[in-house]
Order: sequence, then C-alpha cells, then structure tokens
Amino acid sequence: QSALTQPASVSGSPGQSITISCTGTSSYVGGYNFVSWYQQYPGKAPKLMIFDVRNRPSGVSDRFSGSKSGNTASLTISGLQAEDEADYYCSSYTSSSTYVFGTGTKVTVL
Amino acid sequence: EVQLLESGGGLVQPGGSLRLSCAASGFSFTSYAMSWVRQAPGRGLEWVSTISNTGGNTYYADSVKGRLTISRDNSKNTLYLQLNTLRAEDTATYYCAKEGRIAVAWSYFDYWGQGTLVTVSS
Repeated sequence: QSALTQPASVSGSPGQSITISCTGTSSYVGGYNFVSWYQQYPGKAPKLMIFDVRNRPSGVSDRFSGSKSGNTASLTISGLQAEDEADYYCSSYTSSSTYVFGTGTKVTVL
Repeated sequence: EVQLLESGGGLVQPGGSLRLSCAASGFSFTSYAMSWVRQAPGRGLEWVSTISNTGGNTYYADSVKGRLTISRDNSKNTLYLQLNTLRAEDTATYYCAKEGRIAVAWSYFDYWGQGTLVTVSS
C-alpha cells in the first residue's frame, strides 16, 4: 500500500486552531474506523494522540480531536501551544491485514 | 507502568543478519498483539510486522517479507525481530509497539519503546 497522504507542513500562531488531513482510499481510512494519530518529537518515540478516528487516550489534552469524512481523516489542534510543535502521523488498518502510516506533517507554532 | 525496551541494534554489513529484542513489562504480555515499526533517518514511520498475542499469526510489510521474521516468547515477555539479508534501505530506528486492544491485532499502538538503531553499511 502507498502511504497515506498528509501535508508536509502546517503552521499556526499560538491560540489558533489547525487541521491536518490524512487521505487514503476505501481500502484504508474510508473502509474502517481504525484511524489513529501519533505525535513525535525529534529523537523521541511516537505518542498515541487519537485512536479509532476520534477517541483520546487518557492524559491527552482535549485540544486534540479527530474526525473522518469519506477517505480523509483529520486531526485538529485547538488553542495551539508551543509544545504542540512536533511531527504528526496518521495510521490506518488496511484490507490487506497490514497497517499503513501517513507521510507525516511537521507542525510549526509561529 | 508499561515499559518496552528494545535492544540488539548496531552496525551490520550488507547481506548480514541481526536480531532485535523488545523486553516488555507492566502489562499482560500474553494478552496483546505486538508490532515492529521502523523509521529511516529523517523519514516517516513505516509499519514492518505484527504478531498475534499467541504468536500463531504473523504479518509483514511487502518490503520486508521473506527477510525479516517476527516472533515472541510469552514465557519471557519478549518480542523479537530477526533481520536477514540486510540492505542499506533497512537502516532505521526500529520501534516495538504494543497493540491497544486486548487479544486483537489491528487497532492502534498505545505504547512504544524508545527504539534501537540498525545501520547497514560496509
């Protein structure tokens, strides 16, 4: 499978909201509600931020929210803070019994 | 507290082999599927392989099929990845990751190890 398509970079000012898109196909993203999102700081392991499209693990700020429409999932960060500056990856289960990750998005806080 | 501790990375020549280990603690290891995810330097995440909680089912990315083998020893709470016939493009940090739902693969990764770096170079 090809990687899920994400914008290479998204930026915003503190307090603003930004949205990162993640586009797949009906074989992944569109066909299943098994989309998850991960935050990764440089040199660190990824951290789960959203699972099953829109659910937040305990301990993750409610400024992070997920949604899906058709073959595109989205991660929205509200009230952007300096600590949100990181790389973000989406992931989905696929009909071939594999996982696929997104290309990754670098979030910059201006 | 869930902990995943990878080891076994290092420098290996093209065509060589390496075995990675991931020692798990803080959860019922036998209840969860486990996976390996890798990240080449400066690149994105790439799913490599998943093994069911019992070890009876394994799954691989096409890019590694036939060269990498995932396994687990539930008596030792340890996950393994055997890397054979290594190529330069296998150079990456390899993370082990725990599945989020009990006894089910294909959910999400709720815990990750710190990663172990494999460098394939002559």
